[in-house]
Amino acid sequence: DAGITQSPRHKVTETGTPVTLRCHQTENHRYMYWYRQDPGHGLRLIHYSYGVKDTDKGEVSDGYSVSRSKTEDFLLTLESATSSQTSVYFCAISPEQGYEQYFGPGTRLTVT
Amino acid sequence: AQSVTQPDIHITVSEGASLELRCNYSYGATPYLFWYVQSPGQGLQLLLKYFSGDTLVQGIKGFEAEFKRSQSSFNLRKPSVHWSDAAEYFCAVGPFTGGGNKLTFGTGTQLKVEL
Repeated sequence: DAGITQSPRHKVTETGTPVTLRCHQTENHRYMYWYRQDPGHGLRLIHYSYGVKDTDKGEVSDGYSVSRSKTEDFLLTLESATSSQTSVYFCAISPEQGYEQYFGPGTRLTVT
Repeated sequence: AQSVTQPDIHITVSEGASLELRCNYSYGATPYLFWYVQSPGQGLQLLLKYFSGDTLVQGIKGFEAEFKRSQSSFNLRKPSVHWSDAAEYFCAVGPFTGGGNKLTFGTGTQLKVEL
């Protein structure tokens, strides 16, 4: 299994509070992604990174920001959490050659 | 635009029976195709991938998939299902145009195995 960890694994927070989720990889892969998974929607891309300090938006980026200051870490921030952001968040990584993505164990976020 | 359709939301099979999960895609060039499996409370695990060459690809856990260009399909098969195969299965296609190794995922097929 690819070396990907996510923290925290579970979080409950209140509406309006900031939240940061962390993804850490030990594979030195170039590409990193943040997805959210919701019933009936499958996986939807929030943001991705193609290198240190290089990031771009995915299909559901509103309300989210990301940062990547080191190859191994990719942070997802909800500046002001809303109930619609209650979801399971997955980080994934991909090597420069090959296109396959490897997923972390996920973070279950509940916004009350 | 790229898209992936998994027509079956839920499938139930008996243990020992054969399995086929359907995946249809829309893609403007030769696609890279993937199948992933997700057990409850876990992340997605790569089962197999197709890049080029032999259209029948073998994966882990006894799964295989066949790429049919004429039908824009990449169906997943297993000759004999085990109770531990109960999970959700996702088909994916890529890469997106615009770089980033991005993939498009289907909405998944939930497999239930009856003992």
